[in-house]
Amino acid sequence: GAVVSQHPSWVICKSGTSVKIECRSLDFQATTMFWYRQFPKQSLMLMATSNEGSKATYEQGVEKDKFLINHASLTLSTLTVTSAHPEDSSFYICSAPPGDRYGNQPQHFGDGTRLSIL
Amino acid sequence: QQQVKQSPQSLIVQKGGISIINCAYENTAFDYFPWYQQFPGKGPALLIAIRPDVSEKKEGRFTISFNKSAKQFSLHIMDSQPGDSATYFCAATGGNEKLTFGTGTRLTIIP
Repeated sequence: GAVVSQHPSWVICKSGTSVKIECRSLDFQATTMFWYRQFPKQSLMLMATSNEGSKATYEQGVEKDKFLINHASLTLSTLTVTSAHPEDSSFYICSAPPGDRYGNQPQHFGDGTRLSIL
Repeated sequence: QQQVKQSPQSLIVQKGGISIINCAYENTAFDYFPWYQQFPGKGPALLIAIRPDVSEKKEGRFTISFNKSAKQFSLHIMDSQPGDSATYFCAATGGNEKLTFGTGTRLTIIP
């Protein structure tokens, strides 16, 4: 079945550095991908919608300059956390709709990236 | 209006029992209601989903009951097993492929 791959699965870095997270759709093309953030014992909160070939759409309260999203191809979206600080530590999850939501499922999820900022 | 309310926050069920998780929504534009299962350190995985034109859907031990007039839906896990211990999220979507998640239920199945 369709798979979404996320890399890296875990990253630890110093405060002030930038971190890039990749999200790939492995066997289907995704013109749209979604980026979520999940704090411990909390639900998934949508951060932004990544659109292939155009600018991402950010949810209210999400800093565009902090969380840079690039959807360079139909199978790859990247999230870059710029100048990361400890409060950015979280579990970041991407997803992609396979294009047939009523026939299969609305979105395929990656396994997430645990980001720890020291 | 975009919220999906989920209860209980945590649930402990004995092995072999029935686990029941409830959700309620407000936005009548929602037209697809999936349930996700999430294990620690993993992304959510689709468990079962329902559209509002049916009142119940069953897949193996998992059943969704849907009450359109009350704008409520629930997940029933029959014969609950220790391997079912996970966090469960209800969700809703309508037209724009965006998912609105419930707050989650941490389910623990005890022997």
